[in-house]
Amino acid sequence: GQSLEQPSEVTAVEGAIVQINCTYQTSGFYGLSWYQQHDGGAPTFLSYNALDGLEETGRFSSFLSRSDSYGYLLLQELQMKDSASYFCAVTVSGSARQLTFGSGTQLTVLP
Amino acid sequence: DTGVSQNPRHKITKRGQNVTFRCDPISEHNRLYWYRQTLGQGPEFLTYFQNEAQLEKSRLLSDRFSAERPKGSFSTLEIQRTEQGDSAMYLCASSPTESGANVLTFGAGSRLTVL
Repeated sequence: GQSLEQPSEVTAVEGAIVQINCTYQTSGFYGLSWYQQHDGGAPTFLSYNALDGLEETGRFSSFLSRSDSYGYLLLQELQMKDSASYFCAVTVSGSARQLTFGSGTQLTVLP
Repeated sequence: DTGVSQNPRHKITKRGQNVTFRCDPISEHNRLYWYRQTLGQGPEFLTYFQNEAQLEKSRLLSDRFSAERPKGSFSTLEIQRTEQGDSAMYLCASSPTESGANVLTFGAGSRLTVL
């Protein structure tokens, strides 16, 4: 099976930079995804990494190190609207039909 | 493109009753997924369809759960003889073939409360 670990809560102030880490244990790792979910809302895709390195999309960046089984989501210039839960999720080769999600990190952005 | 639509958004039922949820995916997406999410947890995979074929089912999906996608468009998830432990948000997601499970578009979910 797969297991993912991420911090349960992170707090930061508006305008700051925050990094949410994710470590995973899985066989046949294929890729790491990040999703954002506001209270009562649908999970929304943020980014996907299959190869080592940094992927940048606007204020959000995602990093993957396959050798360390580790990734992170970097949020810059935090805004109040970024307060949400952030989930890392893995896909596994041979079963690229399903995502396995972590338990999520609740980000609170303070004014 | 109206996104992934799920109905009903909320369902309250008594233990032992049957419930059915409907999902309308993005029209050009041939892959459809059902997930379940409980409070404070990430979504858990339940089942996956490629067009009308159900290709994968989680061990979480007991025999009280059944899903269909009869014409490769909308899908239904039925739970028979509901139990209190079935209370959760049921999420539907879809994706085009080329992105597989790596990029999913989720619906807003159907929240089930079993009394």
